[in-house]
Amino acid sequence: DAKTTQPTSMDCAEGRAANLPCNHSTISGNEYVYWYRQIHSQGPQYIIHGLKNNETNEMASLIITEDRKSSTLILPHATLRDTAVYYCIVRVAYNNNDMRFGAGTRLTVKP
Amino acid sequence: DAMVIQNPRYQVTQFGKPVTLSCSQTLNHNVMYWYQQKSSQAPKLLFHYYDKDFNNEADTPDNFQSRRPNTSFCFLDIRSPGLGDAAMYLCATTQTLNSYEQYFGPGTRLTVT
Repeated sequence: DAKTTQPTSMDCAEGRAANLPCNHSTISGNEYVYWYRQIHSQGPQYIIHGLKNNETNEMASLIITEDRKSSTLILPHATLRDTAVYYCIVRVAYNNNDMRFGAGTRLTVKP
Repeated sequence: DAMVIQNPRYQVTQFGKPVTLSCSQTLNHNVMYWYQQKSSQAPKLLFHYYDKDFNNEADTPDNFQSRRPNTSFCFLDIRSPGLGDAAMYLCATTQTLNSYEQYFGPGTRLTVT
């Protein structure tokens, strides 16, 4: 079973920041938070991951709370092409075959 | 440049007729994974190969088998497809088991008639 809880769906206006929350209250000390997204009819795509510090790359920022029980993925300037299902996954770093996808959040970016 | 390639993108098979799905990669990664994704559901890991070592998930039905003849190619064999096996089948790769990024192919959508 997935170890995360995410809202089923969210909308965002084009050009605005999209903030996608994820709860992982049972996360262990050696588990990382990973975010992937899946655009319709494509395979999932890695976005970002983190352990406890906030992370930023060219695609997004990841904010992890101090107690690590929740996190937020931020797409700073959402475009129509960011419409996708976003998956928050927690797993230990050394075990890629422990990728348990939850239901994810369906983000719709609207013009 | 395509990195993880899945052929065909769409496959139709008949109930009970064996079918093989193909995955190839240009990344020279050691690990290859197969996921099943049913309609409106999240991907579910079926098994993976670390080099030539096959690792099956405990709840993967025996009807599903896999072959990896070399580093670049991995096949998913469904011996007797049932209607419940209709799904998108996703192949993914990583350099090692602790690589942080899995690279996914576009998937093969399997229809069982």
